[in-house]
Amino acid sequence: QKEVEQNSGPLSVPEGAIASLNCTYSDRGSQSFFWYRQYSGKSPELIMFIYSNGDKEDGRFTAQLNKASQYVSLLIRDSQPSDSATYLCAVGFSGGYNKLIFGAGTRLAVHP
Amino acid sequence: EPEVTQTPSHQVTQMGQEVILRCVPISNHLYFYWYRQILGQKVEFLVSFYNNEISEKSEIFDDQFSVERPDGSNFTLKIRSTKLEDSAMYFCASSQQAMNTEAFFGQGTRLTVV
Repeated sequence: QKEVEQNSGPLSVPEGAIASLNCTYSDRGSQSFFWYRQYSGKSPELIMFIYSNGDKEDGRFTAQLNKASQYVSLLIRDSQPSDSATYLCAVGFSGGYNKLIFGAGTRLAVHP
Repeated sequence: EPEVTQTPSHQVTQMGQEVILRCVPISNHLYFYWYRQILGQKVEFLVSFYNNEISEKSEIFDDQFSVERPDGSNFTLKIRSTKLEDSAMYFCASSQQAMNTEAFFGQGTRLTVV
């Protein structure tokens, strides 16, 4: 059974701080890793994707991938109240036609 | 910016009735997907579709479910005889390639079975 695990939170950070969200996955053959943001009652919105080990930065967001540890993380710098949402880690497993397995999500609360 | 569009946004149906959920994927995308999310739970994969056939389906996607691309733009999910436990948000998604490419989600259809 392929699994994607996330801490459900809530993760509470003050405005302007760095929020760190973590995810682990079970299948070593996984090839693609995505972070989606989901506001309550809305659809998942793609924020970042990463395919290779290391860091990938896009604006205030940095995704980090460590395939040896089967670990992927998302850092949000200068957190804003509008970043308050549930962050979903999704993994594309080997042999699956871009079938994504989602974690349960981490709820982030950024307080002013 | 291109987006995946879904209709209707909310559908209420009686148990045992058939429903069809509609999606228009992004125009240059070739791979289409349905996911669902029961309230308070994970987003779950249902089915992927490529070249007018199902490429992969989950255990959830049993005989009461079917998908179709009836024309060049629409992609539909049919639930033949709805059950109370089918109540969920249903998301359509599309991507350009099968692997190592981003999947973009529509805004979802909230299905309520009463």
